[in-house]
Amino acid sequence: DVKVTQSSRYLVKRTGEKVFLECVQDMDHENMFWYRQDPGLGLRLIYFSYDVKMKEKGDIPEGYSVSREKKERFSLILESASTNQTSMYLCASSLGQGDSYNEQFFGPGTRLTVL
Amino acid sequence: QKEVEQNSGPLSVPEGAIASLNCTYSDRGSQSFFWYRQYSGKSPELIMFIYSNGDKEDGRFTAQLNKASQYVSLLIRDSQPSDSATYLCAVKNLMYSGGGADGLTFGKGTHLIIQP
Repeated sequence: DVKVTQSSRYLVKRTGEKVFLECVQDMDHENMFWYRQDPGLGLRLIYFSYDVKMKEKGDIPEGYSVSREKKERFSLILESASTNQTSMYLCASSLGQGDSYNEQFFGPGTRLTVL
Repeated sequence: QKEVEQNSGPLSVPEGAIASLNCTYSDRGSQSFFWYRQYSGKSPELIMFIYSNGDKEDGRFTAQLNKASQYVSLLIRDSQPSDSATYLCAVKNLMYSGGGADGLTFGKGTHLIIQP
């Protein structure tokens, strides 16, 4: 079974703090994704990566950065957390085979609250 | 901006009936379409994907695609209370397909309630 894990299930941070959200997958997947999910707005893509050290912007990259130093790990960084970044953050991974579709497997999510 | 539209619901269907979930998309060039199910408090899981016009069946689930009308639907036959969840329609966004990654644009989801 594919397993995508996220470092925290719940996280509470203060405005202005630097926040790291970690995601690890154990199936040697090439592609990894970070989404946020908000009521009324749905799932929105923040960043994705198709290889180590490679990153691409999604729909809403502002206020976020990412790091992929190892194939299995993809980190989302909030340089200076703000209250509008309070959300559920979901990490996903997929195999990566050129133009073929690869199912995205999601982690359990991190509910981040910024006070 | 690519758009994926769904009726948010809730859609209430009696147990044993057919549940019909609908989705429209704005990018005429879209090629790949997906249905995810998300239970409350859980993460999304893939239940169907479809590439070609027409119907694709998998057990009680049927995905239907009409590219001319930019419309994709999911039918759930013999609905069960365990089918109660939010159903997310997703479209492969070619803007987010670098290096083989298949970035998806999601609709906001339809909340389905199966009444026993």
